[in-house]
Amino acid sequence: NAGVTQTPKFQVLKTGQSMTLQCAQDMNHEYMSWYRQDPGMGLRLIHYSVGAGITDQGEVPNGYNVSRSTTEDFPLRLLSAAPSQTSVYFCASSYIGGRQTQYFGPGTRLTVL
Amino acid sequence: DAKTTQPPSMDCAEGRAANLPCNHSTISGNEYVYWYRQIHSQGPQYIIHGLKNNETNEMASLIITEDRKSSTLILPHATLRDTAVYYCIVRVGNTGNQFYFGTGTSLTVIP
Repeated sequence: NAGVTQTPKFQVLKTGQSMTLQCAQDMNHEYMSWYRQDPGMGLRLIHYSVGAGITDQGEVPNGYNVSRSTTEDFPLRLLSAAPSQTSVYFCASSYIGGRQTQYFGPGTRLTVL
Repeated sequence: DAKTTQPPSMDCAEGRAANLPCNHSTISGNEYVYWYRQIHSQGPQYIIHGLKNNETNEMASLIITEDRKSSTLILPHATLRDTAVYYCIVRVGNTGNQFYFGTGTSLTVIP
């Protein structure tokens, strides 16, 4: 198993540009989520999904869109990037349930100029 | 939503036990306590979790108080590779899957 994979590893955008951060998992997990981590801070939940076709907002959803068309993939879209979205983005997945462990990807480091 | 409180930083001598405390006074009866760590800027790594009983695995032990309002992660013989930020998390949400991270405890293991 590759686990949770994220692409790209690094990305630089200009203000107003759009892009999609990719996340994929090969563990057949129902639950997937996106977090952002700003310098010196803990991770904050952006969006999550409990299965294909179902998404919901986390703590900091503004400026981000998600969709879940397959179990494996959960892309995060920035429609109009802002400098405040400069951060490291982590994707995670798990089975559904209160005692299920979440597995995290290696992260995407995004800089918006 | 149950949230957690952790000291911002701790030091531990190499080879000694590292005891990392966490307060979660608003935890609900069916919410698990999870511990993760993050080394440099890598993705968080799972350590251990528990509901009400003490738990032990190959990495650590988790001690949860009887009232479940606090817990302690114990790394029995800390090594330099254990230097990391440790997060105590209580799972919330209807599906039980949402994690809300605090700022964690930055543990430095000293040679």
